Amino acid sequence: EVQLVESGGGVVQPGRSLRLSCVASGFSFDDHAMYWVRQAPGKGPEWVSSVDWNGWSIAYAGSVKGRFTISRDNAKNSLYLQMNSLRIEDTALYYCAKGLGRAYDASGFDYWGQGTLVTVSS
Amino acid sequence: SYELTQSPSVSVSPGQTARITCSGDALPKKYVYWYQQKSGQAPILVIYEDIKRPSGIPERFSGSSSGTVATLTVSGAQVEDEADYYCYSTDDSDNHGGVFGGGTKLTVL
Repeated sequence: EVQLVESGGGVVQPGRSLRLSCVASGFSFDDHAMYWVRQAPGKGPEWVSSVDWNGWSIAYAGSVKGRFTISRDNAKNSLYLQMNSLRIEDTALYYCAKGLGRAYDASGFDYWGQGTLVTVSS
Repeated sequence: SYELTQSPSVSVSPGQTARITCSGDALPKKYVYWYQQKSGQAPILVIYEDIKRPSGIPERFSGSSSGTVATLTVSGAQVEDEADYYCYSTDDSDNHGGVFGGGTKLTVL
């Protein structure tokens, strides 16, 4: 059974940093691209970032580029999102998602975690 | 920036067919994925690569794509199909960024 468990969310002031983690199990982690997707309260999902199976290719949404960094550790079956210079508009539930294939460039995702809540507030 | 457009709402009676559309300029070259999200739950994949149905998804869910429009069809919609549905695809840039449609609220009553 595929499981994705996110952690690291919390309440943080604008301009501060937070690091999210996602631990995966139930599939060959190093055979799949991985994603971060967020959903603000009452809104639809928003794609945040993608990383391919080996971490060499990465993409970011324009709204987070230069502030967020995605990474993965295949030895630990883990995905990360380093979030710097946080803004109030980054407040959302952050989901980790498993890619259907090794690359993200023409693919989507089939499993989502339950999410970790990030609240940016002064 | 690239956008996928969905109509905000669709309403059908139980047993009727619901069609939810998603339009985007790159869809002739890019796959569409459809996600169902019920209140308070994480989304689940109901259609991938335009037309494929994951195991465990009822056969009444089907997908199609023609030109710049992809369609999710729920044939014989059930009350339990009431949810928000989102299409997802990737843009045609070198970034290969992802994008979601704005979502369609399917009401079955």
